[in-house]
Amino acid sequence: QQQVKQSPQSLIVQKGGISIINCAYENTAFDYFPWYQQFPGKGPALLIAIRPDVSEKKEGRFTISFNKSAKQFSLHIMDSQPGDSATYFCAARGGSNYKLTFGKGTLLTVNP
Amino acid sequence: DADVTQTPRNRITKTGKRIMLECSQTKGHDRMYWYRQDPGLGLRLIYYSFDVKDINKGEISDGYSVSRQAQAKFSLSLESAIPNQTALYFCATSDTTGLAGVGHNEQFFGPGTRLTVL
Repeated sequence: QQQVKQSPQSLIVQKGGISIINCAYENTAFDYFPWYQQFPGKGPALLIAIRPDVSEKKEGRFTISFNKSAKQFSLHIMDSQPGDSATYFCAARGGSNYKLTFGKGTLLTVNP
Repeated sequence: DADVTQTPRNRITKTGKRIMLECSQTKGHDRMYWYRQDPGLGLRLIYYSFDVKDINKGEISDGYSVSRQAQAKFSLSLESAIPNQTALYFCATSDTTGLAGVGHNEQFFGPGTRLTVL
């Protein structure tokens, strides 16, 4: 059973556009929702994260929107740049054991 | 992240061979993880370790075993490799001790090992 569903699987955006990646979860015990960014040939790295007690978190051009009642969260990349081209993973942490459950990933391509 | 290293970076082996992938970290973190990445399937947890004496199975542990030789070292073994274990393998660490660990769980990933089983 997939506990974190991520969409779309791939996304192509023009430079300067807005990239939006969505995730939905099922387990209401999840208490921490990070997004990881992975460049080709590299390991994933934490990009931004949010807790369920806030509805939005912004760091530069990256924003997480969180809807607790709908059990959904999304990543918005404003003014997308070719350097943002990467694979993005949403994840959710389940309680005190600190395990992360990852979505299947979204390959973002930003065309110049 | 240079603080988490994985060896080898690439490995081609044959069906039935025993393979060991190694992970070392200089971050002083207590927790270590092994993930497998397959196209379209994301990152799936194989095993994780809270400390040297604590090893736990993840969602896809069948066919794999691990050893936490020290706080800084966590190795993954494939006792008898099979072709569907061809994948990209990542080691990760996290710190749940001290102030940095309170309510926080950033995982730091190594550069990965690309394993091909023929």
